[in-house]
Amino acid sequence: QKEVEQNSGPLSVPEGAIASLNCTYSDRGSQSFFWYRQYSGKSPELIMSIYSNGDKEDGRFTAQLNKASQYVSLLIRDSQPSDSATYLCAVNGDSDTGRRALTFGSGTRLQVQP
Amino acid sequence: EADIYQTPRYLVIGTGKKITLECSQTMGHDKMYWYQQDPGMELHLIHYSYGVNSTEKGDLSSESTVSRIRTEHFPLTLESARPSHTSQYLCATSTGGSPAFFGQGTRLTVV
Repeated sequence: QKEVEQNSGPLSVPEGAIASLNCTYSDRGSQSFFWYRQYSGKSPELIMSIYSNGDKEDGRFTAQLNKASQYVSLLIRDSQPSDSATYLCAVNGDSDTGRRALTFGSGTRLQVQP
Repeated sequence: EADIYQTPRYLVIGTGKKITLECSQTMGHDKMYWYQQDPGMELHLIHYSYGVNSTEKGDLSSESTVSRIRTEHFPLTLESARPSHTSQYLCATSTGGSPAFFGQGTRLTVV
């Protein structure tokens, strides 16, 4: 079992719809959670960070965290063709040692149809 | 301005040559990472450092080596390049529980 699991997609949604991306993780001690967007041929860029249970909103993006169920999700409202990219979930399980690496999922490819 | 610098951005080199990919950061982060990514594929962690003189191999077996003599510098070396090393190499940094930030990457082609 991979430490961070994502459906590879592609997830196809029409323009203006809500895109829902999900991620599960295996380490119950994980402390911080991130969503990245990666356009083809580019480096991943951070779009959301979430550290506590519940929802965090930033513009059209909402990150949701449920530590009891070990999942984190990203909602994109009013999806635009420019949102078409691969979305990577990353989990930081570091607590006491300061030595754990950030762990990435394999990414979900999102396609927003005009 | 704090940033992450990778050089070169593009490199085409012959089989058997020694290569060093450079990664430097001005963010003061203690953790640095090297990822390998083929087009359309997932990120694979090949090397990780959590501080000066502290490095670990990642999940993907790699013939490359790294060093971390200074906090801001984390070079990756291939002693003898092969066509199978053709890929994009991404450097990233982080600290504590904060997110990682990526450099622009080095696209390597071994002919």
